[in-house]
Amino acid sequence: AQSVTQLDSHVSVSEGTPVLLRCNYSSSYSPSLFWYVQHPNKGLQLLLKYTSAATLVKGINGFEAEFKKSETSFHLTKPSAHMSDAAEYFCVVSDQSTGFQKLVFGTGTRLLVSP
Amino acid sequence: NAGVTQTPKFRVLKTGQSMTLLCAQDMNHEYMYWYRQDPGMGLRLIHYSVGEGTTAKGEVPDGYNVSRLKKQNFLLGLESAAPSQTSVYFCASSYTSGANTGELFFGEGSRLTVL
Repeated sequence: AQSVTQLDSHVSVSEGTPVLLRCNYSSSYSPSLFWYVQHPNKGLQLLLKYTSAATLVKGINGFEAEFKKSETSFHLTKPSAHMSDAAEYFCVVSDQSTGFQKLVFGTGTRLLVSP
Repeated sequence: NAGVTQTPKFRVLKTGQSMTLLCAQDMNHEYMYWYRQDPGMGLRLIHYSVGEGTTAKGEVPDGYNVSRLKKQNFLLGLESAAPSQTSVYFCASSYTSGANTGELFFGEGSRLTVL
């Protein structure tokens, strides 16, 4: 069975400082991993995904994530936070051989950005 | 370009009432999904469809029915609403079924309260 654990329910940063949102996963097979972002009163939007190619994945809006198999982690980072980054972020895992119906979502991390 | 549109966005029901949530997508996607989002639990798949006229159960299907009579529409029904169905419901669609090759596109959500 697959699972993801988002280690922080809330993360607070100041504008211009780095962002780190942590995600650990458990998967019996080679996983696909995703980060989705949900802005207030909006649907989820794909930020980036890892599917066994390069371990460092770049996404939209300056975000990136590194797949570390030895640590079973897929942490999301951004060098400099912007006010518009305030949102909820979901780490998601699936088995590479299965479809979207087998996605497992984390419980979310709410990112707060202060001026 | 509307993408995925959900109606209604808000609804309050009394226990035992019925209602239908409508999801419409204009991207010609084969695959459509209904999720529910509850605090501290991430998103959970209720039902999904791999094409017009087909539906399948997801992780939490009890108390819900779905229909996909037209490719662009996916309806979620509650025949007898219960307070446990108070949630935010998200519809999503995808062009492919494979999580590693595609992307989910989400609607903005429908907030349902059952009193």
